[in-house]
Amino acid sequence: DADVTQTPRNRITKTGKRIMLECSQTKGHDRMYWYRQDPGLGLRLIYYSFDVKDINKGEISDGYSVSRQAQAKFSLSLESAIPNQTALYFCATSERQGYGYTFGSGTRLTVV
Amino acid sequence: TQLLEQSPQFLSIQEGENLTVYCNSSSVFSSLQWYRQEPGEGPVLLVTVVTGGEVKKLKRLTFQFGDARKDSSLHITAAQPGDTGLYLCAGDLNQAGTALIFGKGTTLSVSS
Repeated sequence: DADVTQTPRNRITKTGKRIMLECSQTKGHDRMYWYRQDPGLGLRLIYYSFDVKDINKGEISDGYSVSRQAQAKFSLSLESAIPNQTALYFCATSERQGYGYTFGSGTRLTVV
Repeated sequence: TQLLEQSPQFLSIQEGENLTVYCNSSSVFSSLQWYRQEPGEGPVLLVTVVTGGEVKKLKRLTFQFGDARKDSSLHITAAQPGDTGLYLCAGDLNQAGTALIFGKGTTLSVSS
């Protein structure tokens, strides 16, 4: 099994729908992150969490929310999806400050 | 303002050629990491450099951290088609409660 598992891998949804992207990890890391990747814009941080009780906004959190259900699970929700949220979404974990990230394989989300 | 600037943005070369990718900033980083991302997958950590002037080698890949810890380079010797991918640098500002800063990446294409 992969260290970081994201579901679904691909999703097409309609404008205005609520959608949840899920992430689970077996690394035992406290730190988890959600990024979106767009061509030419690189990886942009949406939300991050350093433990179950700690949630922090990243640079592009508007239109998104997160839930840290357990140390191993960190989900990202789009309450009312819009077309410009079409992107590749990645979840990642790290052991501590400055340590390397382990990424999931990503979720390709299309909002039509 | 992009904290980490990567250059070039795109690079297309023939098998056997050498190349260098750069990652520059005006900020000082406590560590800097390089990742490679293949289509349809998440970024995978290649190396972490932490000491100014540090050089690390990974087979045909050589990574260097600038003396002032503001920049880094990745040199590939005798590139192979398997080196094709997106190369990302990421820096840690060593500020408590923050995530890594990612550059926008260099897309490398190596043709045989």
